Amino acid sequence: GQQVMQIPQYQHVQEGEDFTTYCNSSTTLSNIQWYKQRPGGHPVFLIQLVKSGEVKKQKRLTFQFGEAKKNSSLHITATQTTDVGTYFCAGPRLENEKLTFGTGTRLTIIP
Amino acid sequence: ETGVTQSPTHLIKTRGQQVTLRCSSQSGHNTVSWYQQALGQGPQFIFQYYREEENGRGNFPPRFSGLQFPNYSSELNVNALELDDSALYLCASSRRPERDTQYFGPGTRLTVL
Repeated sequence: GQQVMQIPQYQHVQEGEDFTTYCNSSTTLSNIQWYKQRPGGHPVFLIQLVKSGEVKKQKRLTFQFGEAKKNSSLHITATQTTDVGTYFCAGPRLENEKLTFGTGTRLTIIP
Repeated sequence: ETGVTQSPTHLIKTRGQQVTLRCSSQSGHNTVSWYQQALGQGPQFIFQYYREEENGRGNFPPRFSGLQFPNYSSELNVNALELDDSALYLCASSRRPERDTQYFGPGTRLTVL
């Protein structure tokens, strides 16, 4: 079945360093969404990308959708302690358009 | 805050019991999706309700069932609880069934002993 994988599974960075998580789907996606889940919290929508090769920025966060619409990335510049959490990508399933979430990347910050 | 509420916050049950979880969707949203999130994993789609009808189902057995009411609030029922059902159950509302942003509630933490 459709799989959405993310790497790395965990990332520990010094505050101020950059962070990138990569999302790869086994099938072409009509769109990709990114969510952030703080420890003990629930997923919070960050952004949706629809077009092939699309790049969107939100302050220190840069999101990219691959040309083949099978992969995506989230890059955070100069991480801060507020960036701590697990970042999930999610794409619609082929058979019913319902969201399949990636495996997530858990980011921890070393002050 | 998303405006999506869930109750109860936490629940402890024993194997074989039944449980009902509740969700109130955000104002203006007619679609509710339910997800199961095991510890350290991503949310797994259980099913979705749109205008009071089931509109898509993930790989969950029939003992997972649901309802949606005319005010678009929803229930998730799980019969014959198993230990592996221990998880965070999330509901998410959206304006339409497909390709739309999911607004998640705080979740219900279910522990099955």
